[in-house]
Amino acid sequence: AQSVTQLGSHVSVSEGALVLLRCNYSSSVPPYLFWYVQYPNQGLQLLLKYTTGATLVKGINGFEAEFKKSETSFHLTKPSAHMSDAAEYFCAVGGGMNRDDKIIFGKGTRLHILP
Amino acid sequence: EAGVVQSPRYKIIEKKQPVAFWCNPISGHNTLYWYRQNLGQGPELLIRYENEEAVDDSQLPKDRFSAERLKGVDSTLKIQPAELGDSAVYLCASSLRQGRGYEQYFGPGTRLTVT
Repeated sequence: AQSVTQLGSHVSVSEGALVLLRCNYSSSVPPYLFWYVQYPNQGLQLLLKYTTGATLVKGINGFEAEFKKSETSFHLTKPSAHMSDAAEYFCAVGGGMNRDDKIIFGKGTRLHILP
Repeated sequence: EAGVVQSPRYKIIEKKQPVAFWCNPISGHNTLYWYRQNLGQGPELLIRYENEEAVDDSQLPKDRFSAERLKGVDSTLKIQPAELGDSAVYLCASSLRQGRGYEQYFGPGTRLTVT
């Protein structure tokens, strides 16, 4: 079974500052991981994903995340926040075989950008 | 390429009334998902289809919820009768197929308010 914990339901950073959104997962099988972003009244949009291979994953809009198996973490970062980054961010974990394979979403972190 | 289409975008009904949501996935996507997203939470899977077959409906409240995916394309999710606790955003997503690395593409969702 899988689970995911996002630390901090709200995170505020100043425009131009580093963005760090934390995600820890639990999985009994090798996981695959996603970060999605959700803007108000919209569906979820994929930012990046980790399946296998390189543990540092680059996504859209300057975001990246690093898979750390020893820490069971997949934190999302961006070097310099922009006002347009204000949104809800969801970490998700998947794994399992065939019909048991499903994606579990975290509760989300709302990112606020301060001018 | 058109994205996942959902209708209606918003629905307000009184409790005990029926309601239906419609989803048209991305062309060629074999896997279709229905999620429920409560306020301040991440999406939770209700049902997953592989073509016409519902392969995971373990989280679908079968006493009042039903779903179908005729011809393996469009899908309808129904609630009858609706309860106050059903107020949420219902998201439809599709992917090329189920499994590691196949990202899900989300529609904008239907926001249901039960009064």
